Amino acid sequence: GQQLNQSPQSMFIQEGEDVSMNCTSSSIFNTWLWYKQDPGEGPVLLIALYKAGELTSNGRLTAQFGITRKDSFLNISASIPSDVGIYFCAGRTNYGGSQGNLIFGKGTKLSVKP
Amino acid sequence: DAGVIQSPRHEVTEMGQEVTLRCKPISGHDYLFWYRQTMMRGLELLIYFNNNVPIDDSGMPEDRFSAKMPNASFSTLKIQPSEPRDSAVYFCASSLRQAGANVLTFGAGSRLTVL
Repeated sequence: GQQLNQSPQSMFIQEGEDVSMNCTSSSIFNTWLWYKQDPGEGPVLLIALYKAGELTSNGRLTAQFGITRKDSFLNISASIPSDVGIYFCAGRTNYGGSQGNLIFGKGTKLSVKP
Repeated sequence: DAGVIQSPRHEVTEMGQEVTLRCKPISGHDYLFWYRQTMMRGLELLIYFNNNVPIDDSGMPEDRFSAKMPNASFSTLKIQPSEPRDSAVYFCASSLRQAGANVLTFGAGSRLTVL
């Protein structure tokens, strides 16, 4: 079945540093979503991408939809302690189609040292 | 909007007992999803509904799992009988299908521990 390979699995960084994580797949996706999950909570949407090559920012977060449609990355600039959490990528194969075709990566666990 | 509401937040039960998890989606959303999260397997889609009708239940592990959506504002996920390997966090999510969107809003989850 379709799989998303998310890397790295975990990161330990110093406050103020930039962060980069990515997701790749052998399948083509028409939508990429990035979620963040805080401890004890559900994932919360950060950024949604709908077009190949699209680059979208949300504050200190920037995400891109790869031109091959098989990958996406998320960057966080000038990290702060509240950036701690697990970041998930998710991809959908059918634009406007079956809602069930949302595949999640295994997550990147981010730890930030003050 | 209060978001997606799940209950209970935590459940500890013994093997063999019946477990019922509940979900109230965001008002007006026409899709509802049940996911299971574990360290080993990450987020797995169990089943989803559109307009209260189950569309895809291929992710349901086995017959011990069942889900219902009797109306647009309520869904249940039932495990009977429960087993220790069912221990996980179960998330409910809802969405509204519209062009350019289709993003899921998750509840806070129900953490299930089966002893």
